[in-house]
Amino acid sequence: SQQGEEDPQALSIQEGENATMNCSYKTSINNLQWYRQNSGRGLVHLILIRSNEREKHSGRLRVTLDTSKKSSSLLITASRAADTASYFCATDPTGANSKLTFGKGITLSVRP
Amino acid sequence: KAGVTQTPRYLIKTRGQQVTLSCSPISGHRSVSWYQQTPGQGLQFLFEYFSETQRNKGNFPGRFSGRQFSNSRSEMNVSTLELGDSALYLCASSLPGASTDTQYFGPGTRLTVL
Repeated sequence: SQQGEEDPQALSIQEGENATMNCSYKTSINNLQWYRQNSGRGLVHLILIRSNEREKHSGRLRVTLDTSKKSSSLLITASRAADTASYFCATDPTGANSKLTFGKGITLSVRP
Repeated sequence: KAGVTQTPRYLIKTRGQQVTLSCSPISGHRSVSWYQQTPGQGLQFLFEYFSETQRNKGNFPGRFSGRQFSNSRSEMNVSTLELGDSALYLCASSLPGASTDTQYFGPGTRLTVL
């Protein structure tokens, strides 16, 4: 079953606007990661945030993690048409034999 | 460094056949994981190999199998193909001992079962 659930399922914004995507999960985690996928190709790792971190930045990306609410958000500032893609959150649950578990993804469309 | 490579990129098979997909990880990465991606189920973990040993396995039937070679290259095999096996199969590698850390994905193999 999916550990991470992204919200919304689809998002359409104008170039230059900010895009906010959310991810909720069910169990304790070691880390949470965000990936991007362009049009049915391989996933590209964007950012990893560990359970003891609350916020992380990478270029135009800002990720927050609230372990008490079991949720994370990914903010893309000043979006560009090239940001059009599917975005996935992946969680690394605590415990033995853990494996990354992906959500179903958010489709982001950035209109030029 | 060269990225993760997967071959072939596209495959068309018929029901009942078997298929072998190949993955070459980034040099120095010893962990290789396989995922199946479909529109309905999303990304689902198949299995992970580390140092030629299967370290973790998802909830897939025994028709799905894999192996890893001493050079860390990995193959996955699907026998007795079913229509529902049509999917994008993604391979990912990661640094030693950190299979749940950053995953580096290949471009995928698109399998169509007719």
